[in-house]
Amino acid sequence: RKEVEQDPGPFNVPEGATVAFNCTYSNSASQSFFWYRQDCRKEPKLLMSVYSSGNEDGRFTAQLNRASQYISLLIRDSKLSDSATYLCVVIAQGAQKLVFGQGTRLTINP
Amino acid sequence: DAMVIQNPRYQVTQFGKPVTLSCSQTLNHNVMYWYQQKSSQAPKLLFHYYDKDFNNEADTPDNFQSRRPNTSFCFLDIRSPGLGDTAMYLCATRNPDGKEKLFFGSGTQLSVL
Repeated sequence: RKEVEQDPGPFNVPEGATVAFNCTYSNSASQSFFWYRQDCRKEPKLLMSVYSSGNEDGRFTAQLNRASQYISLLIRDSKLSDSATYLCVVIAQGAQKLVFGQGTRLTINP
Repeated sequence: DAMVIQNPRYQVTQFGKPVTLSCSQTLNHNVMYWYQQKSSQAPKLLFHYYDKDFNNEADTPDNFQSRRPNTSFCFLDIRSPGLGDTAMYLCATRNPDGKEKLFFGSGTQLSVL
């Protein structure tokens, strides 16, 4: 089983729609969680950290479910510019190693 | 201004011809990482440095070596590149407090012909 798993998609949704995807992790000692966005042939860029109580940044909401060992990302009122690959990243407690999921490819259609 | 700089942006090499990729940072971060990302795949950690302490991933081929002569610079040496080493190579830095984000360079796209 992979340490971090994501549905690779692709997700194709119309502009303005709400879309959500999950990321599961296998290491129960995981402590820090992030969502990164990666555009084609570019480096990953931090979208948001994921806090235990859940957090929101504009149209983006991230949640953590420790019991079921997954994090989620919700995008409301999606824009064409949201088209990208979304990577979840997990860090185990006391570790320096960041583990990436495969990424979920999202395309927003006009 | 770019804080993690990778050179070159694109690199083409021949099968078996050694190549070196470079990464520099102005953030004074203790931890530096090298990731390999192939098309449509997750970035895969090759190794990382915590200061001068080198940490190699168990499945990183011996063909891949790294050097960190000082805090600011880190190099990835591929001794005998194979066709399967064609990928984006990403350098990243981080403060080791467990919550700080990764700062990525723009990557080097390596093509082995």
